[in-house]
Amino acid sequence: GAVVSQHPSWVICKSGTSVKIECRSLDFQATTMFWYRQFPKQSLMLMATSNEGSKATYEQGVEKDKFLINHASLTLSTLTVTSAHPEDSSFYICSASEGRASHEQYFGPGTRLTVT
Amino acid sequence: GQQVMQIPQYQHVQEGEDFTTYCNSSTTLSNIQWYKQRPGGHPVFLIQLVKSGEVKKQKRLTFQFGEAKKNSSLHITATQTTDVGTYFCAGANYKLSFGAGTTVTVRA
Repeated sequence: GAVVSQHPSWVICKSGTSVKIECRSLDFQATTMFWYRQFPKQSLMLMATSNEGSKATYEQGVEKDKFLINHASLTLSTLTVTSAHPEDSSFYICSASEGRASHEQYFGPGTRLTVT
Repeated sequence: GQQVMQIPQYQHVQEGEDFTTYCNSSTTLSNIQWYKQRPGGHPVFLIQLVKSGEVKKQKRLTFQFGEAKKNSSLHITATQTTDVGTYFCAGANYKLSFGAGTTVTVRA
């Protein structure tokens, strides 16, 4: 149980284009979903927290107009990186929780984004 | 804001030996969670500690939560090659704050 999928697993795009990443909870309803960014050999940096049907809460320093998050249902959240630049290249991981933000989180497999 | 520090950053262990990784929070936590990320993989939830002074075991892994609910430790006995990976602690209040992780390598 508690499986989270993420699509695509990797993507290469050109500077200036937008990329959408999907995160789905497959066997449970996710009250809260989270988006993280992870640089090589570093920890997870929380970008934003989203609850179904409401606006995402972004962490300090994360541009909400650049990283658009939509939590359309209890099983789906999307992250769109708009007007991507090479510095946006990273490993993006989503996670989902059945409860509040302080509950255990189940992580998706991640999406490796490379912007050329 | 809430900060979670984790040491050591790297741990190189001889197979069969024990090691401990430590986690400290700048604030009192409602719970602390531990995750393991294998090389090339994603974090996987290991355990959650909620009560002051709580100790939980999972086979060769022993997790402790401090009396003040501000620190935690993970102790692994008789390290095996399957223990390779990065272990993250995550302190929880209104959100999870991840430590920097301890990356474990094992020499046979």
